Amino acid sequence: AQSVTQLGSHVSVSEGALVLLRCNYSSSVPPYLFWYVQYPNQGLQLLLKYTSAATLVKGINGFEAEFKKSETSFHLTKPSAHMSDAAEYFCAVGTLSSGSARQLTFGSGTQLTVLP
Amino acid sequence: DAMVIQNPRYQVTQFGKPVTLSCSQTLNHNVMYWYQQKSSQAPKLLFHYYDKDFNNEADTPDNFQSRRPNTSFCFLDIRSPGLGDAAMYLCATSRGVAGGADTQYFGPGTRLTVL
Repeated sequence: AQSVTQLGSHVSVSEGALVLLRCNYSSSVPPYLFWYVQYPNQGLQLLLKYTSAATLVKGINGFEAEFKKSETSFHLTKPSAHMSDAAEYFCAVGTLSSGSARQLTFGSGTQLTVLP
Repeated sequence: DAMVIQNPRYQVTQFGKPVTLSCSQTLNHNVMYWYQQKSSQAPKLLFHYYDKDFNNEADTPDNFQSRRPNTSFCFLDIRSPGLGDAAMYLCATSRGVAGGADTQYFGPGTRLTVL
């Protein structure tokens, strides 16, 4: 079974500092990996996805993630945090479901706080 | 803009009183999903439709039902809501392409309160 683990349920950074949110995956086949962001009382918005085309994936709002097979990791980074980045971030792996569609298996989420 | 729309955004119901949540999409996607998200937890898949084919997750309670009358609309029916069903309900859609890279697009969610 495929799964993801997000290390750190809460991360705090100062405005302008590097953001690093950690995600490790477990998969017996090449994984499809996603990062979503969720603002309070909102749905999930896709930040970026890895589909094996390139190991460094650039997403929206200045975020990027690097797929490292040797470390089974897909960490999310942003060089300089902004107050508007404060939100919940979910890493997910796409798996084949029992039906004909694909299922997302989510990590437990990381709440990012940006301090002024 | 093409999007996933959920109505209402906030729903209050009484214990045991049936409630229906609505989702519509203008993306013309084949697949529609319903997730339940409780406070400070990850979304949990309840079921999905691939076109008209319904796929229920093994641990989804019988209290939860779904209907998809056409490509654009999908409904979540909770027959007898309990206090434990209070949550954010998220609808998502995807094209349903081969492989796990199929991307899901989420609506804004409906926050359900059970009194």
